[in-house]
Amino acid sequence: QVQLVESGGGLVKPGGSLRLSCAASGFTFSDYYMSWIRQAPGKGLEWVSYISSSTSTNYADSVKGRFTISRDNAKNSLYLQMNSLRAEDTAVYYCARYRYSSGRLDYWGQGTLVTVSS
Amino acid sequence: EIVLTQSPGTLSLSPGERATLSCRASQSVSSGYLAWYQQKPGQAPRLLIYGASSRATGIPDRFSGSGSGTDFTLTISRLEPEDFAVYYCQQYGSSPPITFGQGTRLEIK
Repeated sequence: QVQLVESGGGLVKPGGSLRLSCAASGFTFSDYYMSWIRQAPGKGLEWVSYISSSTSTNYADSVKGRFTISRDNAKNSLYLQMNSLRAEDTAVYYCARYRYSSGRLDYWGQGTLVTVSS
Repeated sequence: EIVLTQSPGTLSLSPGERATLSCRASQSVSSGYLAWYQQKPGQAPRLLIYGASSRATGIPDRFSGSGSGTDFTLTISRLEPEDFAVYYCQQYGSSPPITFGQGTRLEIK
């Protein structure tokens, strides 16, 4: 069965950096687009970024230039490098499998909490 | 940017009743690119409906989606206790490629 497990969240000071990871299993990882979505405490869902199977990328304006999405198909892993973090980046970050042809996010991980605070 | 507006913000119903949730887009959305998700407290969202009306794997048939253009609807025919949650619509477009509605909270009356 498809499984996505995020890790790497934690407490970081404003201006700091953090790298999130997402370990995928149960499907041929290299065949699929993958995406990061976040949810601030008590708020709705916000798309952050996606990466294609051929590593083309796209970012929300709110994170462009600060966040970098990448993948390692040999390790079945997705990453999100987050730099210049701000208080407004505080959220649970979910990785999800992204079916580009239909725009749907069909499997989600359980999320990892990132808190940006001094 | 396509903005999705969900209504109502909160819906209070009893088990066994029918729930109708609305998602209105600021511009026309291709029906193939409209999805619905369910999120329970402390859990990740779960895909319910994609392509406006296709049920995702394992989703009970009491969940159905409909609509086209700018108006879409998620209907739950007979509410079960486990259906009380927050529901989000989502569309795929050009820039940004993925946007979500603000959510409808379905609570027990």
